[in-house]
Amino acid sequence: EAQVTQNPRYLITVTGKKLTVTCSQNMNHEYMSWYRQDPGLGLRQIYYSMNVEVTDKGDVPEGYKVSRKEKRNFPLILESPSPNQTSLYFCASSLGLAGTSYEQYFGPGTRLTVT
Amino acid sequence: KQEVTQIPAALSVPEGENLVLNCSFTDSAIYNLQWFRQDPGKGLTSLLLIQSSQREQTSGRLNASLDKSSGRSTLYIAASQPGDSATYLCAVRPNKAAGNKLTFGGGTRVLVKP
Repeated sequence: EAQVTQNPRYLITVTGKKLTVTCSQNMNHEYMSWYRQDPGLGLRQIYYSMNVEVTDKGDVPEGYKVSRKEKRNFPLILESPSPNQTSLYFCASSLGLAGTSYEQYFGPGTRLTVT
Repeated sequence: KQEVTQIPAALSVPEGENLVLNCSFTDSAIYNLQWFRQDPGKGLTSLLLIQSSQREQTSGRLNASLDKSSGRSTLYIAASQPGDSATYLCAVRPNKAAGNKLTFGGGTRVLVKP
């Protein structure tokens, strides 16, 4: 089954404790990205990746890191989480690169709470 | 900067009534527009993708129209059912943005009453 998976689905952590949220897709998609969803602010892009070893900042990259060592995986790293990073996080992927019009597929979301 | 607006923010209808959901965007130069459904605490399910060259797209009871020149898209859901209750999001792929970033509207929360 074609899908985007995220782990963990729920996470409660404390300020400053490094964490990683994994994202994996099995569709051989080139493009992957991370969004966060907050009440009243909608979904905003954090980082994206056009292909292996190619990543760039989205609209709200502060406090986050990503890596793309393999095509299927795109982990989101919070080196020192803070309470303002409490949010619902979504990973997404699509086949095409910039200039194409492919549909985007979203993972089930990771609800992160930082106390 | 592209901005996407969905009005109303919430909508309640009796079962069987047709649903009309609106999405407007400020920059008409888009690559495509995608409608999603989101259930509480869940991920996003893609409903319809309309390319910039298309005027409408249909899937079962769902029909989405696109008027690029006026910066509008409308999602129609025929003969609504309680299972259609969810939040509906529209998103556009901005013309000049790097990558495939989607700009989302705030969503319309729909309640279909039995």
